[in-house]
Amino acid sequence: EAAVTQSPRSKVAVTGGKVTLSCHQTNNHDYMYWYRQDTGHGLRLIHYSYVADSTEKGDIPDGYKASRPSQENFSLILELASLSQTAVYFCASTGGGSYEQYFGPGTRLTVL
Amino acid sequence: TQTVSQSDAHVTVFEGDSVELRCNYSYGGSIYLSWYIQHHGHGLQFLLKYYSGNPVVQGVNGFEAEFSKSDSSFHLRKASVHWSDSAVYFCAVSGGLNYNQGKLIFGQGTKLSIKP
Repeated sequence: EAAVTQSPRSKVAVTGGKVTLSCHQTNNHDYMYWYRQDTGHGLRLIHYSYVADSTEKGDIPDGYKASRPSQENFSLILELASLSQTAVYFCASTGGGSYEQYFGPGTRLTVL
Repeated sequence: TQTVSQSDAHVTVFEGDSVELRCNYSYGGSIYLSWYIQHHGHGLQFLLKYYSGNPVVQGVNGFEAEFSKSDSSFHLRKASVHWSDSAVYFCAVSGGLNYNQGKLIFGQGTKLSIKP
């Protein structure tokens, strides 16, 4: 069964601190995505990647960096966390030719 | 540019009732449409999709959706809901460059509540 895992599952960070969210997939998928979900809202795409060592900007990339060191791993980096980045973050993956995305369980990030 | 709209933020029905969750999109070209379900505290799970062919598509757990080009819609339906269907449902679209890049645009979501 397709599997996407995220770590940590929840995190409290201080304003101005650095935060790294990690995602690991065992689906052998080429495409990986990072979304944020705010209460009462849909998902918005932050960064995505087609292949290892390459990332692309999504719809709301400001304040975020991404890293894809291998096919299986995709990280989201907040260099200087801000209050407005408090949200739930989801990672997803999909294979070429299929647009069915497999989601991780999410990371709840609170910035104080 | 594609947009997707889910007009109902919250729908409440009784167990055993039928339900329709509405999704409308705007885009002039070929479009890929899908629905996802999110149970509380979990990630999204794929329900069904449409790209071409029969406009009525079947998904898991008795869900189906119907594509209408004239109405720019892709409504999700279920004939008889179960308490376990309580969740938030997201419609997602992709067309043109977004489709080529494997990107989905998600609606705001509709929370479905089931009364016993």
